[in-house]
Amino acid sequence: GDSVTQMEGPVTLSEEAFLTINCTYTATGYPSLFWYVQYPGEGLQLLLKATKADDKGSNKGFEATYRKETTSFHLEKGSVQVSDSAVYFCALYNNNDMRFGAGTRLTVKP
Amino acid sequence: EAGVAQSPRYKIIEKRQSVAFWCNPISGHATLYWYQQILGQGPKLLIQFQNNGVVDDSQLPKDRFSAERLKGVDSTLKIQPAKLEDSAVYLCASSLGGTVMNTEAFFGQGTRLTVV
Repeated sequence: GDSVTQMEGPVTLSEEAFLTINCTYTATGYPSLFWYVQYPGEGLQLLLKATKADDKGSNKGFEATYRKETTSFHLEKGSVQVSDSAVYFCALYNNNDMRFGAGTRLTVKP
Repeated sequence: EAGVAQSPRYKIIEKRQSVAFWCNPISGHATLYWYQQILGQGPKLLIQFQNNGVVDDSQLPKDRFSAERLKGVDSTLKIQPAKLEDSAVYLCASSLGGTVMNTEAFFGQGTRLTVV
């Protein structure tokens, strides 16, 4: 079946560092891809999405490009802030089924 | 716009007891999901409704878990009897449903269940 694999955490960075969180997927057909974020004590929130190959999703300085040739949707941010500390989940939606990766915990230190 | 509402926020029960969770999705959202998120893992889909019909319940442990969405709006998830390994956060989410472009799911804050 469909699945999502994320880079294992935790990830600890200093403020203003560059962030990459890797995500690859296995799916039949043409899934939609998402990044969700979960801040401490809060529910999951959609961060960005891409619905077809080569689409780039972006929000709050985060970006991810849907790469069908490498089945990847890596999350990037050029300069992280302390407020970006959270757990990030990569997810795909395909054939009425939404699947999540295990999550990557990011801690940003001042 | 009101978000997805869930209650209770926290629940502690003893093993073999029963428990029920309630979810009120965003108004007009046809699709409703229940997920189980065990500590350190990503959410795992338990059941998906489209209006009041079940679309996918392949990962629902049907010997102890049940869910309903009688009028196609609110939903309840029940566990009877609970086991220690059911300790998790139970997330409800909803989406407009239908076409691929409408598949963004909005999540509630979840119910944290501890089985002792």
